[in-house]
Amino acid sequence: KNQVEQSPQSLIILEGKNCTLQCNYTVSPFSNLRWYKQDTGRGPVSLTIMTFSENTKSNGRYTATLDADTKQSSLHITASQLSDSASYICVVAEPSGAGSYQLTFGKGTKLSVIP
Amino acid sequence: DAGVTQSPTHLIKTRGQQVTLRCSPKSGHDTVSWYQQALGQGPQFIFQYYEEEERQRGNFPDRFSGHQFPNYSSELNVNALLLGDSALYLCASSLAIGQVQETQYFGPGTRLLVL
Repeated sequence: KNQVEQSPQSLIILEGKNCTLQCNYTVSPFSNLRWYKQDTGRGPVSLTIMTFSENTKSNGRYTATLDADTKQSSLHITASQLSDSASYICVVAEPSGAGSYQLTFGKGTKLSVIP
Repeated sequence: DAGVTQSPTHLIKTRGQQVTLRCSPKSGHDTVSWYQQALGQGPQFIFQYYEEEERQRGNFPDRFSGHQFPNYSSELNVNALLLGDSALYLCASSLAIGQVQETQYFGPGTRLLVL
């Protein structure tokens, strides 16, 4: 069964500090990997999308990396802010025929940024 | 642009009842996907609609059905509700099925509680 595993499950950091979230996946074949931010009680918001040929992609203070050989990805958050407190979900897309694809979601890492 | 909207925001039902959830996609989007997100879990794919037809389906029973209208809005119907159906139901819209890099935009979700 294709899976997406994220670690840590939860994380508490001080405002202004950096942190790195991890994602390991077994999804194959693989189209792309996405990171989403989900605030409590809200829908996920896309941060980055990377294909297997991309190693890194940035979106402001968020930088995602991808190693398609080891099937690992990370999301690095720089100079954290209180508003970064949310769940961060790793999502892997696999082709499912007819030019379409299916998304497999990880359970997310719950990040809490404290003053 | 109102983005993806969902209604109602919250709903309480009892076991055995039926429920209909509604979703309006982001302006210009033609593809709608539905997800179920249990507390503390990542979203699970239910099905996807494109051109008023179900194009893909996840591992959900036939109690879960849907519909897409000519204006691209969509409904999710769940029959014979079970306690385990209590979850946040997310709708996501996207443009041009088959575009591997396209971003799905999520709505705020409908929180369903089955008693």
